[in-house]
Amino acid sequence: AQSVTQLGSHVSVSEGALVLLRCNYSSSVPPYLFWYVQYPNQGLQLLLKYTSAATLVKGINGFEAEFKKSETSFHLTKPSAHMSDAAEYFCAVGLHSGNTPLVFGKGTRLSVIA
Amino acid sequence: GAVVSQHPSRVICKSGTSVKIECRSLDFQATTMFWYRQFPKQSLMLMATSNEGSKATYEQGVEKDKFLINHASLTLSTLTVTSAHPEDSSFYICSASASSSGTASTYGYTFGSGTRLTVV
Repeated sequence: AQSVTQLGSHVSVSEGALVLLRCNYSSSVPPYLFWYVQYPNQGLQLLLKYTSAATLVKGINGFEAEFKKSETSFHLTKPSAHMSDAAEYFCAVGLHSGNTPLVFGKGTRLSVIA
Repeated sequence: GAVVSQHPSRVICKSGTSVKIECRSLDFQATTMFWYRQFPKQSLMLMATSNEGSKATYEQGVEKDKFLINHASLTLSTLTVTSAHPEDSSFYICSASASSSGTASTYGYTFGSGTRLTVV
């Protein structure tokens, strides 16, 4: 079975500050890990994904995440927050096959303060 | 590539009527599609998994007779909310996975833009 825990339902940062959204996973097999962003009343947009290649994954909009097997973590970071980054972020874990659904964390709402 | 189109984006219906939501994979074949429901300020809750040409697999607690899922082709899955009631009001999102020739590493589970259903 797989599960995801996102620490912090709400994170608030100042514009220009570092963004750090935490995600820990549990998986009995090598996982595929994803970060998605959701803006109000919209679907999910893929930010980045880890699929057993490089452990440091770079995504869109300046985000990146590092897979740390020893810590079972896949934290999302961005060096400098922008107002447009304010949204809901979901971490998810899946399998290679793609025929099983992703398991989502509860989400973290990111607020960016001017 | 890997675009999923979901329609309608927003629908208001009267209590007791049925509503159909469509999810199409535009540039790839989706042998598997997933339907999620999202309540305000909450995460996505998996409702069912549909495989092309076979019956959908529903999650525990999801009424299969109320939420009819049809995946008749490799590019189209539909969710019909039958005899809708106000408690069915929610945000519904579909997700498509590639055919056996592709994997999650290729497409990363593409999501539709969601459908806001309001039952009055």
